Amino acid sequence: AQKITQTQPGMFVQEKEAVTLDCTYDTSDPSYGLFWYKQPSSGEMIFLIYQGSYDQQNATEGRYSLNFQKARKSANLVISASQLGDSAMYFCAMRENTNAGKSTFGDGTTLTVKP
Amino acid sequence: EAQVTQNPRYLITVTGKKLTVTCSQNMNHEYMSWYRQDPGLGLRQIYYSMNVEVTDKGDVPEGYKVSRKEKRNFPLILESPSPNQTSLYFCASSLWVSGGQFFGPGTRLTVL
Repeated sequence: AQKITQTQPGMFVQEKEAVTLDCTYDTSDPSYGLFWYKQPSSGEMIFLIYQGSYDQQNATEGRYSLNFQKARKSANLVISASQLGDSAMYFCAMRENTNAGKSTFGDGTTLTVKP
Repeated sequence: EAQVTQNPRYLITVTGKKLTVTCSQNMNHEYMSWYRQDPGLGLRQIYYSMNVEVTDKGDVPEGYKVSRKEKRNFPLILESPSPNQTSLYFCASSLWVSGGQFFGPGTRLTVL
């Protein structure tokens, strides 16, 4: 069964600095996808970035990058040059290809960017 | 504008009174899913649909029903709501099952 663990309930970062949000996962499926979503205080959920298990390179989307370490089963989100608007809850999620419809989310990390 | 819409956005109801939360997407997405979000528990998947007439259970399907008669719509039905179904509900869709999901704005449900 797939499982996502986010061990940091809350994180603080100074504006303009980089921050890493941790995510580890557990699966026996060799083919899977990993996702990160952002939930601002307004409540909407926003898709940020995707990494496939067979992708050779780490995914990047603007200031977001995913540090994918397959052997360690980790998929950490790196946000560069933090902005005040990055303050939000961040969720790591996973889908296994053998049961591709099922999505599992972590409990989330609350990021606060300090001016 | 590409979007996922949910109605109602807020609902207060009483135990046992059947209700339906509608979800509609205008992006021609194959995949749709329902989640509930409770404090400290992240998002938990209720049901999902890979295509029209194809639905399957997520991790917490008890007390819920869904249907997918059209590609764009995926309503969530609570036949006999109970207080433990008080939660924030999200509908989501994606073009492919492996794609990032677009979420609706959420429905905050309170069952008294």
